[in-house]
Amino acid sequence: AQSVTQLGSHVSVSEGALVLLRCNYSSSVPPYLFWYVQYPNQGLQLLLKYTSAATLVKGINGFEAEFKKSETSFHLTKPSAHMSDAAEYFCAVSEYSSASKIIFGSGTRLSIRP
Amino acid sequence: NAGVTQTPKFQVLKTGQSMTLQCAQDMNHNSMYWYRQDPGMGLRLIYYSASEGTTDKGEVPNGYNVSRLNKREFSLRLESAAPSQTSVYFCATPGTYNTEAFFGQGTRLTVV
Repeated sequence: AQSVTQLGSHVSVSEGALVLLRCNYSSSVPPYLFWYVQYPNQGLQLLLKYTSAATLVKGINGFEAEFKKSETSFHLTKPSAHMSDAAEYFCAVSEYSSASKIIFGSGTRLSIRP
Repeated sequence: NAGVTQTPKFQVLKTGQSMTLQCAQDMNHNSMYWYRQDPGMGLRLIYYSASEGTTDKGEVPNGYNVSRLNKREFSLRLESAAPSQTSVYFCATPGTYNTEAFFGQGTRLTVV
């Protein structure tokens, strides 16, 4: 069965600092991996996705994530945080199958200090 | 092209009342999902439908029923609402072979 673990329910960084949000997954087959962002009172928006092509994936708003099979990780990074990055971030996993489900982690709330 | 549309956006129910959350997608996808979002618990799958005419239970199906009316529409029904069902509900439809999920804007439900 697939699962996702997000380490840290709340991360706080200063504006301009590195953002690192951690995600580890479990999957019996090669996974698809996603990061979604949710701004207050809004739905979920896809930031980036890994679907077995390049292991370093670039997304919107300057975010990127690296798929590391040996570590079963898919951490999200951004070199320089901006105030507008404050939101909740969800890591998710699925498989290449119409019968598979998309499973989400518990989320990480990112706060940006001025 | 609206993508995924959910109605209503907000709802307050009294314990024991019933209601149906509606979801429609215009993306011609086969699969549709219902999730609930609670603080600190991420999104948990309630029910999903892999294709028109089929539905299956997810992680937290108790207290809910669903209907896949046609390829476009997937409704979620609460027959007798309980305070534990206070949550934000999201409908989603994944792309072909789960390469991405597209979400509605959510329904914020409060049961008092």
